Amino acid sequence: AQSVTQLDSHVSVSEGTPVLLRCNYSSSYSPSLFWYVQHPNKGLQLLLKYTSAATLVKGINGFEAEFKKSETSFHLTKPSAHMSDAAEYFCVVILLLNYGGSQGNLIFGKGTKLSVKP
Amino acid sequence: DTEVTQTPKHLVMGMTNKKSLKCEQHMGHRAMYWYKQKAKKPPELMFVYSYEKLSINESVPSRFSPECPNSSLLNLHLHALQPEDSALYLCASSQDPASAVGSGANVLTFGAGSRLTVL
Repeated sequence: AQSVTQLDSHVSVSEGTPVLLRCNYSSSYSPSLFWYVQHPNKGLQLLLKYTSAATLVKGINGFEAEFKKSETSFHLTKPSAHMSDAAEYFCVVILLLNYGGSQGNLIFGKGTKLSVKP
Repeated sequence: DTEVTQTPKHLVMGMTNKKSLKCEQHMGHRAMYWYKQKAKKPPELMFVYSYEKLSINESVPSRFSPECPNSSLLNLHLHALQPEDSALYLCASSQDPASAVGSGANVLTFGAGSRLTVL
């Protein structure tokens, strides 16, 4: 079975300091992992995706994530937080069927709310 | 066009009303999805259409009725809803859900959502 666990429900940082949002996954197969961001009263925007190519994945707005199989982690980082980064962040894995294929539906973590202080 | 467009953005309806949410994409994607999101929760899958056929129904009550008239359009018909159905309804699409995982073709693109309030 696949699952994702976001280790922090709320992270608060000061503007200009690094951001670390933690995510651990569980998957019987090589997973496809994503980070989505949701600003207040908005839809979800894809930040970045891991699909078994490079383990260090660069996304939009300066975010990146590193896939670490030995630690079953896919943490999201950004060197310097901006006020506009304040939002809810979801770590997501594609639900895989028994044969390793997919119908495309996603398993979401519970989300991490990022607050950025001036 | 790389967007998923949802209308209306906001909808208020009574429990006896019949209304519909609409979703449109022109990216040539062959899978479309409805998700429901309650406040401070992650989205929950309701329905998946793959190649215009309903492939997943996550035990959603019959007062929600999906329809996929063609590969670009997805509707969600609402009838006799309850106040607890108030939520943000998100539509999404993906290129090809049956493609190999890892190909990137099953990445979901989400719309901005329709905020539904049931009185």
